[in-house]
Amino acid sequence: GESVGLHLPTLSVQEGDNSIINCAYSNSASDYFIWYKQESGKGPQFIIDIRSNMDKRQGQRVTVLLNKTVKHLSLQIAATQPGDSAVYFCAENSGGSNYKLTFGKGTLLTVNP
Amino acid sequence: DAGVTQSPTHLIKTRGQQVTLRCSPKSGHDTVSWYQQALGQGPQFIFQYYEEEERQRGNFPDRFSGHQFPNYSSELNVNALLLGDSALYLCASTFGLGNQPQHFGDGTRLSIL
Repeated sequence: GESVGLHLPTLSVQEGDNSIINCAYSNSASDYFIWYKQESGKGPQFIIDIRSNMDKRQGQRVTVLLNKTVKHLSLQIAATQPGDSAVYFCAENSGGSNYKLTFGKGTLLTVNP
Repeated sequence: DAGVTQSPTHLIKTRGQQVTLRCSPKSGHDTVSWYQQALGQGPQFIFQYYEEEERQRGNFPDRFSGHQFPNYSSELNVNALLLGDSALYLCASTFGLGNQPQHFGDGTRLSIL
């Protein structure tokens, strides 16, 4: 079935360290992936996306890696800051040409000052 | 440039009642999707509207219905409310139906007593 899951439900890091959040997906037909950040009381905020024809994409302080062989997605945050503390979700387009996002359960990232 | 706006922010209803939630998409966007997010879970896709038609639907009963207006705004209606309908209801918008990031509003918190 279609599902997106996370290996680590919680992650605690020190300010300035790099963070890595992992995600496994099960739908090999998924062709588009997004990482979202959700702070308490807010809606998900777009961080970065990647298409299935790529294996790496970089943004400002963030990098997404896609390994289609093992159906694994990761989000790397460089020099993590207290403002990065939030729940992070990976999502996949499981609908093919009919765009439909399937979300995982999320990872809570806590950055300690 | 206004982002996705949703109203109301909070709502309390009792079992059996009906509710209507509203969403205005981000400026320039014409596609609206609705998600239900239970506490501690990732958002679950309800349905998507484009050109005033329902294009995709998730695994939700017919009690959940929607509408999109010519100005691209949208409504989510839920009939015969159940306790399990208590959740954060999120609206997301994008342009067209292709693989593009969906931008979320901050949601409507619906509580069923």
